[in-house]
Amino acid sequence: RKEVEQDPGPFNVPEGATVAFNCTYSNSASQSFFWYRQDCRKEPKLLMSVYSSGNEDGRFTAQLNRASQYISLLIRDSKLSDSATYLCVAHTGGGNKLTFGTGTQLKVEL
Amino acid sequence: DVKVTQSSRYLVKRTGEKVFLECVQDMDHENMFWYRQDPGLGLRLIYFSYDVKMKEKGDIPEGYSVSREKKERFSLILESASTNQTSMYLCASFPSGSRAGELFFGEGSRLTVL
Repeated sequence: RKEVEQDPGPFNVPEGATVAFNCTYSNSASQSFFWYRQDCRKEPKLLMSVYSSGNEDGRFTAQLNRASQYISLLIRDSKLSDSATYLCVAHTGGGNKLTFGTGTQLKVEL
Repeated sequence: DVKVTQSSRYLVKRTGEKVFLECVQDMDHENMFWYRQDPGLGLRLIYFSYDVKMKEKGDIPEGYSVSREKKERFSLILESASTNQTSMYLCASFPSGSRAGELFFGEGSRLTVL
C-alpha cells in the first residue's frame, strides 16, 4: 500500500462547480500535510499547508481528518485556470521526510 | 521571489555517459533536494543536503551522487546513465526555520537516456 494515495482522476467539472479531492495516508505519525499544484510539464508549486484541522485560502479549503487519516482539498467556483494536477504531500518525523502522492488531475471545462 | 534555477530543461544522453544536473538557488536556503518524477510513481527523493558539503541519501540514491560545494548550488551526477534513469528531475529548496514541506522547486530537467 502506498504511503500517500490519491485518485488519479481526471476529474472533469464545469466552470463554477465545486470539486473535492481526497488523499489518504497510511503513516499515523505524519504530522503536517501540503497540497501542491502542478501544471502540465511544469514544476510543483505550494498551494496550501495543513498543520491542524484545516486551512482556507479564498476558494480553496483543506481539511485534515486524523482519525480516518485523510486530507481533502475543496475548490469552490472552479475556474478554467484551476485545471492542473494536485499533489498531496505528508511530512513525517522530525526531519525532512516528505512523501508525495501521485496526484489528482483536474480539468475544468466551459 | 525565490528563484531555483536548473541548468538544463531538456537533455538527451546515451547509455553510459556521465550526466551533470545543476541547481542554483538565490535565497540562501540551507536545505536542497533532488527528486525524480515518473508517471504513476510521484516524486521520489534521490538525495538531499542540509548544508555545504553535507549530503544524505533519500529513498532512491542508487546510480546517483551529489555535490554541494557552495551553499547556493546542488549538483546531481549520474556516473553512468542508464535508460531507467530517463525521467523528470526536480530540484527544490527551503530555508532552515521554515516548514519542511514548503518547498520551492526549479522548473525541472527532463532527461532522456538512449
